[in-house]
Amino acid sequence: AQSVTQPDIHITVSEGASLELRCNYSYGATPYLFWYVQSPGQGLQLLLKYFSGDTLVQGIKGFEAEFKRSQSSFNLRKPSVHWSDAAEYFCAVGASTNAGKSTFGDGTTLTVKP
Amino acid sequence: DAGVIQSPRHEVTEMGQEVTLRCKPISGHDYLFWYRQTMMRGLELLIYFNNNVPIDDSGMPEDRFSAKMPNASFSTLKIQPSEPRDSAVYFCASRGTLTDTQYFGPGTRLTVL
Repeated sequence: AQSVTQPDIHITVSEGASLELRCNYSYGATPYLFWYVQSPGQGLQLLLKYFSGDTLVQGIKGFEAEFKRSQSSFNLRKPSVHWSDAAEYFCAVGASTNAGKSTFGDGTTLTVKP
Repeated sequence: DAGVIQSPRHEVTEMGQEVTLRCKPISGHDYLFWYRQTMMRGLELLIYFNNNVPIDDSGMPEDRFSAKMPNASFSTLKIQPSEPRDSAVYFCASRGTLTDTQYFGPGTRLTVL
């Protein structure tokens, strides 16, 4: 069975500082990996995804993530955080060959200090 | 494209009443997902459809919940009778076979008093 762990429930960073949100997955085959962001009162928006190829993927809003198979990780990074990045972030894993169900982590809430 | 459309955006009802949530997926998408999000349980997949057929409803909490997809452009999630513990934000998402990316609607915030 596939699973996703986001070890950090809540992270606080200062505006302008770098950010890394952790995601570990469990899946028997090559996974499809996603990061979503949810602003308060909004739905989930896709930030980036990894299917294959280059293990460093670029997303919207200046985010990137690196797939590390040896560590079963897909951590999200941003070099300089903006106040508008304050939101909840979800990592998800899905399979390309099954019926398309994805498993979501519990989310990490990001607070940005001025 | 307008994205995934959900209605209503907010619903307040009394315990015991029937609640119907609606979703219009992105045109051309053949998968549709219903999720529930609460502080206590996070984001839970309730049910999903492929080509209007329910594939996995193992996440539906109990018989009070039912979902239908009568055609490719419309789905409903019904709760009858509703209970206060059903209060949550309900999201609908859709995806196409080739994209493997789910696109979420804005959600329906349900409050059962």
